[in-house]
Amino acid sequence: GAVVSQHPSWVICKSGTSVKIECRSLDFQATTMFWYRQFPKQSLMLMATSNEGSKATYEQGVEKDKFLINHASLTLSTLTVTSAHPEDSSFYICSGVWRNEQFFGPGTRLTVL
Amino acid sequence: AQTVTQSQPEMSVQEAETVTLSCTYDTSENNYYLFWYKQPPSRQMILVIRQEAYKQQNATENRFSVNFQKAAKSFSLKISDSQLGDTAMYFCAFMSPPGTYKYIFGTGTRLKVLA
Repeated sequence: GAVVSQHPSWVICKSGTSVKIECRSLDFQATTMFWYRQFPKQSLMLMATSNEGSKATYEQGVEKDKFLINHASLTLSTLTVTSAHPEDSSFYICSGVWRNEQFFGPGTRLTVL
Repeated sequence: AQTVTQSQPEMSVQEAETVTLSCTYDTSENNYYLFWYKQPPSRQMILVIRQEAYKQQNATENRFSVNFQKAAKSFSLKISDSQLGDTAMYFCAFMSPPGTYKYIFGTGTRLKVLA
């Protein structure tokens, strides 16, 4: 199968700072990537669809100015959590589609102090 | 709106035994896909099995099989000959229309395989 990586795997930041999370498709090109959020012991919730070369589309209730998504190349999408607050602490997972199957990254745990 | 429900938060099974995880969903669509994903402690989501709604035959992948009841909107996962490595969270997921890849996930079932 295809491989999706995320960096960093975990990050701790202070409230009010911004954090960038990278999602890379290592062995395939992904014109579309997805960002999910998973709260502890809960399900994955789709946050946004990242489209290479165009604006991301956000799910209802997700603040686009807070969660900035950039998909600058066919192998890289980034999620920037701006002015992070403790309630943004969560597990963020990205995914890409290859040969009609969705492959997920290993996730990034964000803790905002 | 589509919803996916997993009514079993936690389950356990003895090694080598068979276990069935339940999933129900609600949709007015006729064309959709259903999935079971495994999330082990490493947190990497792994596809276990996929079912296309237009196919009447239940999908099977080695020790994993599904019981897809379209009219009842039920999609259960059976794991045969359970192994310690099957210990994980299992999520049921729904996608419609096919090709959007916008999944709706259930709340998950934590499965523990006992030695």
